[in-house]
Amino acid sequence: GDSVTQMEGPVTLSEEAFLTINCTYTATGYPSLFWYVQYPGEGLQLLLKATKADDKGSNKGFEATYRKETTSFHLEKGSVQVSDSAVYFCALSDGGATNKLIFGTGTLLAVQP
Amino acid sequence: DTAVSQTPKYLVTQMGNDKSIKCEQNLGHDTMYWYKQDSKKFLKIMFSYNNKELIINETVPNRFSPKSPDKAHLNLHINSLELGDSAVYFCASSQETVRNEKLFFGSGTQLSVL
Repeated sequence: GDSVTQMEGPVTLSEEAFLTINCTYTATGYPSLFWYVQYPGEGLQLLLKATKADDKGSNKGFEATYRKETTSFHLEKGSVQVSDSAVYFCALSDGGATNKLIFGTGTLLAVQP
Repeated sequence: DTAVSQTPKYLVTQMGNDKSIKCEQNLGHDTMYWYKQDSKKFLKIMFSYNNKELIINETVPNRFSPKSPDKAHLNLHINSLELGDSAVYFCASSQETVRNEKLFFGSGTQLSVL
């Protein structure tokens, strides 16, 4: 079945460092891809999404490009802040009619001042 | 006001007990979901309701029974709790049940079965 694989965390960076969190997927159809973020004590929030190959999703300085040839959707940010510390989840929509999301395991990002 | 709220936030109980987790959304959404996050952090869908009608029912034991009294509420009742039920349970909602629709999540209920 469809699945999402994320790099294991935690990822620890200093403020203003460059961030990459890897995400690859396996899907039989043409999924849409998402990054959700969970700040401490809160529920998951949609960070960005891309619905077809070569689309780039972006929000709050974060970017991810839908790469069909490498089945990847890596999350990047040029300069992280302490406030970006959170758990980041990569996910795909299985293309069915029910808006079912399949998530990766999440990657904890800790940004130190 | 919290958009999707779950209660309780923490639930500690003994094996064999029956417990419920409540979820309410004030966003006016038509669709609600329950997700389970296990000890390895995998987040998997359990159920989805659209306008009080069940539309997704993954391979979840019969001991788990969702109940939707109205489209703003989706409660999760668990009978005969087992150790393996220990997890974080997330409620979520979306405007409609269509592909790519943004999900709004609650902050989770951490269930510990002793």
